[in-house]
Amino acid sequence: KNEVEQSPQNLTAQEGEFITINCSYSVGISALHWLQQHPGGGIVSLFMLSSGKKKHGRLIATINIQEKHSSLHITASHPRDSAVYICAAVTGTASKLTFGTGTRLQVTL
Amino acid sequence: DVKVTQSSRYLVKRTGEKVFLECVQDMDHENMFWYRQDPGLGLRLIYFSYDVKMKEKGDIPEGYSVSREKKERFSLILESASTNQTSMYLCASSLRGYRELFFGEGSRLTVL
Repeated sequence: KNEVEQSPQNLTAQEGEFITINCSYSVGISALHWLQQHPGGGIVSLFMLSSGKKKHGRLIATINIQEKHSSLHITASHPRDSAVYICAAVTGTASKLTFGTGTRLQVTL
Repeated sequence: DVKVTQSSRYLVKRTGEKVFLECVQDMDHENMFWYRQDPGLGLRLIYFSYDVKMKEKGDIPEGYSVSREKKERFSLILESASTNQTSMYLCASSLRGYRELFFGEGSRLTVL
């Protein structure tokens, strides 16, 4: 079992829908990143969270340290949101970055 | 506004060739990382460096070496490329604790 699990693996939504991607982890963490990867390779860190909630435009990320769970929400989804979303947890005493396997999101018109 | 630059987006090499992948960051970050990304396996850490001339093995260091002679530059070296090293290679840099984490655009290497 991976230390960091994401769901769903694949997600198709229509433009305008509210989207939620989930990330759960089984080890202690100090922080968690939500990453976005568009086709072609480049990865961007959308948020780094250690507690609570952060918002940037239509993107909202929450984390519940006690429940070992984080969510990424996209409001009013748009085709340009189509990408792979990856959660990455800062784990262990050596501060290792442990990645989830990613959620492939496609938003259609 | 480029922050992490990888020297080559696409490379094609032959088995046995020596391959250099260069990464430069302009943010004065202490930490630099090399990952490879393969379908179904996600991102896996090859090597990281937390200071000049310092390096630590990641999860899959076999067949790779690294060099960090200057703070801004972190090079990945494949001494003798093999077909199983065909992959997307991603460089990243950050402050301590993975704050300000930035990735390069990636280098897609094909070894024939």
